[in-house]
Amino acid sequence: GAVVSQHPSRVICKSGTSVKIECRSLDFQATTMFWYRQFPKQSLMLMATSNEGSKATYEQGVEKDKFLINHASLTLSTLTVTSAHPEDSSFYICSALKALNTGELFFGEGSRLTVL
Amino acid sequence: DAKTTQPPSMDCAEGRAANLPCNHSTISGNEYVYWYRQIHSQGPQYIIHGLKNNETNEMASLIITEDRKSSTLILPHATLRDTAVYYCIVRLLQGAQKLVFGQGTRLTINP
Repeated sequence: GAVVSQHPSRVICKSGTSVKIECRSLDFQATTMFWYRQFPKQSLMLMATSNEGSKATYEQGVEKDKFLINHASLTLSTLTVTSAHPEDSSFYICSALKALNTGELFFGEGSRLTVL
Repeated sequence: DAKTTQPPSMDCAEGRAANLPCNHSTISGNEYVYWYRQIHSQGPQYIIHGLKNNETNEMASLIITEDRKSSTLILPHATLRDTAVYYCIVRLLQGAQKLVFGQGTRLTINP
């Protein structure tokens, strides 16, 4: 299957700093990527849809100024958590759409953010 | 919002078939049923999907009822490595439609 890679897999930062998480599709081009957040023992919650070359579409209740998404190329989308606070500590997961006609979606390994 | 209902947890003995049910009574005619699973602290893994016919691949079988209001994922010979949370999702096949996850079923395979 296709490969989607996230980096870093784990990150610890101090409160008030910003953290960038990368999502790369390694062997295909993805015009659309999705970002999810998952708290312990809960399901994945969709945060936003990232489209190459255009602004991301955020789900209701997700602050776009806090969670900055950039999809500058067909293989890379980034999520920046700005001015992170302990409540932003979570598991962040991206997925990339491989083909519009088949709807194939592949997920990254996830990035665990801990804000002290 | 998720349009599926699954039992929160299930247990199965190693080597036995694990049958995971899913209700999707509001599924529309062009929506597919997808199954993903998530092993602890990893990203979700695609298992199988189908429209109305039963499907089988190297991982599992998917049985969809004739009225398409429910389905069952079957892991024919469960192993300890199949312990995970299994998500049943309905979505359109084509296009950039997002995957909306429900709570899933936490399947525990017991030795």
